[in-house]
Amino acid sequence: AQRVTQPEKLLSVFKGAPVELKCNYSYSGSPELFWYVQYSRQRLQLLLRHISRESIKGFTADLNKGETSFHLKKPFAQEEDSAMYYCALSVGAGNMLTFGGGTRLMVKP
Amino acid sequence: GAVVSQHPSWVICKSGTSVKIECRSLDFQATTMFWYRQFPKQSLMLMATSNEGSKATYEQGVEKDKFLINHASLTLSTLTVTSAHPEDSSFYICSAPFVSDTQYFGPGTRLTVL
Repeated sequence: AQRVTQPEKLLSVFKGAPVELKCNYSYSGSPELFWYVQYSRQRLQLLLRHISRESIKGFTADLNKGETSFHLKKPFAQEEDSAMYYCALSVGAGNMLTFGGGTRLMVKP
Repeated sequence: GAVVSQHPSWVICKSGTSVKIECRSLDFQATTMFWYRQFPKQSLMLMATSNEGSKATYEQGVEKDKFLINHASLTLSTLTVTSAHPEDSSFYICSAPFVSDTQYFGPGTRLTVL
C-alpha cells in the first residue's frame, strides 16, 4: 500500500528565510503527488501538483523518483505562508488521496 | 471555481443517536466523492469513496454498517454515522474531483458525541 511521510510536524522560520517542507512517499508505481494547504479556519485547498510543474505563491516542488521525495520549497518565506501543509499521493483511477501527517509552517516576523 | 459545501458545519449529539452529514458540489457534478476523517492534530484519513448510483467503497477498517454513505444524485453525497459514540467524535471532510481530477474539499463537519 502507498504511504506518505512528512517527517516534520512543525517548521518555524523567520520571514525572508528559505523554506523546505519534506515529503517522502512509498509506492512501487508512478504516483501523482500533490501539496495541499490549509490556512487558519479555511478548508483544504490544492497548492500544486507535480504534473503541472508550476510555481504557486512562490512555492515549487520537484518529484524525485530516485529518492521518492516531493519536497516543497520557497526561497523567501512570508508571514502569510503560515499554514498547515499536507503532501498527498494519488494512484490509478479514482483519484483517492493518501495524505501525509502534515507540517505546520510558522513564519515569524 | 468549483465549490463543495457541507452541512452541518458542527453537530453535537448524544451517544447512541445517528447523525447525517451532507456533502454537495455546488456548481459541478460529481459521480465520485470522497469522505475523510480527521482527528485533532492528525492528518486526513480516507474513509470511503462515494459512487453515484452504486455502493460506496470503504477503506480497510471502516465499518460500512456504521458509516452509511448514500450518493443520491450527481451533486449530493451523505454520510450517516449510526449509533454514534464518543470515539466517533471527529472532523469529517468530503471532497469531489473537478477539472483535471483536482480534488475540491468541503469545509468539514465537526461531530461531537456526548
